[in-house]
Amino acid sequence: EAQVTQNPRYLITVTGKKLTVTCSQNMNHEYMSWYRQDPGLGLRQIYYSMNVEVTDKGDVPEGYKVSRKEKRNFPLILESPSPNQTSLYFCASSFSTGGHDEQFFGPGTRLTVL
Amino acid sequence: RKEVEQDPGPFNVPEGATVAFNCTYSNSASQSFFWYRQDCRKEPKLLMSVYSSGNEDGRFTAQLNRASQYISLLIRDSKLSDSATYLCVVDPGAGSYQLTFGKGTKLSVIP
Repeated sequence: EAQVTQNPRYLITVTGKKLTVTCSQNMNHEYMSWYRQDPGLGLRQIYYSMNVEVTDKGDVPEGYKVSRKEKRNFPLILESPSPNQTSLYFCASSFSTGGHDEQFFGPGTRLTVL
Repeated sequence: RKEVEQDPGPFNVPEGATVAFNCTYSNSASQSFFWYRQDCRKEPKLLMSVYSSGNEDGRFTAQLNRASQYISLLIRDSKLSDSATYLCVVDPGAGSYQLTFGKGTKLSVIP
């Protein structure tokens, strides 16, 4: 089944404890991205990647890191999480390099930072 | 960054009603347009792309007005299962690698 998977789906952590949210797609998509969704603010892009080893900042990259060592994986790293990073996170992928076509979203990761 | 604006709603409509949402965008050079549907606490999923000539998929019709810079989504004969948040998405096109998402319009279809 073609899909985007994220892990974990739910995470409660404490301030400053490094964490990684994994994202994997099995559709051989070029473009992958991370979004956060907060009430009243909609979906905001954190980082995106057009291809392996090519990443760039989105609209709200502060406090996050990403890597794209393999085409299928695009992990999101929070080196020192803070409470303002409590949010619902979505990973997405699309076929074209520029992300100009249908975005396939993962099921989301609900993160709470205490 | 250029913005996309939607009426957040909620739109509360009875079953069988026709409802329309509009979305305005500020970047006149935008190339592609989409409507996504998001159920509560779930991931967004593509509902339909919006073409210049307008397009229809069953009870759903999407239209684009480039002159006035808005897109619309019309839902006829609303079903309870149509209850969701509808996101307007604009692709600025070549040279940009970021889509712009509206904040969404919430629809509740009432029995």
